[in-house]
Amino acid sequence: NAGVTQTPKFQVLKTGQSMTLQCAQDMNHNSMYWYRQDPGMGLRLIYYSASEGTTDKGEVPNGYNVSRLNKREFSLRLESAAPSQTSVYFCASSSGDRVAYEQYFGPGTRLTVT
Amino acid sequence: LAKTTQPISMDSYEGQEVNITCSHNNIATNDYITWYQQFPSQGPRFIIQGYKTKVTNEVASLFIPADRKSSTLSLPRVSLSDTAVYYCLVGLYGGSQGNLIFGKGTKLSVKP
Repeated sequence: NAGVTQTPKFQVLKTGQSMTLQCAQDMNHNSMYWYRQDPGMGLRLIYYSASEGTTDKGEVPNGYNVSRLNKREFSLRLESAAPSQTSVYFCASSSGDRVAYEQYFGPGTRLTVT
Repeated sequence: LAKTTQPISMDSYEGQEVNITCSHNNIATNDYITWYQQFPSQGPRFIIQGYKTKVTNEVASLFIPADRKSSTLSLPRVSLSDTAVYYCLVGLYGGSQGNLIFGKGTKLSVKP
């Protein structure tokens, strides 16, 4: 049981390049999320997927797109990277049940855009 | 969306009890209160969650007054390994509606 996995762990891009961050969970969770964390800051929600087949914008969606490929996988795409997107990206998942919840986080992807 | 206010930083010594208070004045009726812990270079980790009164698990206790406008995370007898950032969140259910706000958290430094 690996929990939430993210690839790659590190990435350096040049301005204007594109890339996709991959996330997968093996806990049969319904909901998945993408956050970014800038130095000294808390996490900000980029996009989330409440269930397979649905995605919604979070607090800071501009410059990103997402795909909920299936129940396990949720990818984040940067179409044209900008230096302002230099950050640590975390993927998370939760059961999405109505009662209690707990988000499980991946180890993060450290992205630098030059 | 219910926002939270918590101290930016706190210092403590090993063996002491640490209480971190979070203010959430506009908490909604269906909102739960959840605390996460984050170590450097890692993703946050769930600590405890509650709706009202007191909740205790093997790691911490969570105290919620009747008006639910604030909550206090209590860490008993902290150790150096408890040095981390602690986030208070208020949101509906599993946050599956994307309504969770992490904020900047409280940086707890435990000294020997």
